[in-house]
Amino acid sequence: ETGVTQTPRHLVMGMTNKKSLKCEQHLGHNAMYWYKQSAKKPLELMFVYNFKEQTENNSVPSRFSPECPNSSHLFLHLHTLQPEDSALYLCASTPNGMGKGETQYFGPGTRLLVL
Amino acid sequence: AQTVTQSQPEMSVQEAETVTLSCTYDTSESDYYLFWYKQPPSRQMILVIRQEAYKQQNATENRFSVNFQKAAKSFSLKISDSQLGDAAMYFCALTSGTYKYIFGTGTRLKVLA
Repeated sequence: ETGVTQTPRHLVMGMTNKKSLKCEQHLGHNAMYWYKQSAKKPLELMFVYNFKEQTENNSVPSRFSPECPNSSHLFLHLHTLQPEDSALYLCASTPNGMGKGETQYFGPGTRLLVL
Repeated sequence: AQTVTQSQPEMSVQEAETVTLSCTYDTSESDYYLFWYKQPPSRQMILVIRQEAYKQQNATENRFSVNFQKAAKSFSLKISDSQLGDAAMYFCALTSGTYKYIFGTGTRLKVLA
């Protein structure tokens, strides 16, 4: 596997379910990001981890819980979601989270539908 | 606050023709970077081109070039000799710090055979 991978690619869940999204990067990068992509809206930055430490939480509701066990893996734990949380969730990474103007490398995304 | 605006939700271009996608931005920072990303229907977003604000010269990558007008805060993307594989969503993005990337709403480009 190369680049940034995400699993699952599609997920349907009820509002009472608990599920997790997984992201893995094979680029040796040190910073990882979660974004929410909704139709006709800009990408919304949710969380940033740099060297496994969370450096950004963009006022995300607590029903989204990130976890970064190491620099290569990032999880997004979901519980009691709302239908408006349905979106494409993108993971991205950059080489050095402290570097300015770095190019982000994105995964293919997880398409989430909350019923 | 920093903003990125893409005023064209959708554009069409004939194969082999040239198309320009618009992007305007606002930032009070003097040191910043601008990007165009492409998101094909398979959804993996990839970098098209990157511009450092302190560089006067417009960035170019093969058939892709930008028109960077710093005073006007404009950063348009020109695609020459359009190909069917260029059909995608194109996002303009701005960053001036280490983590915050501000994206526009995207422009869907259709390439007509």
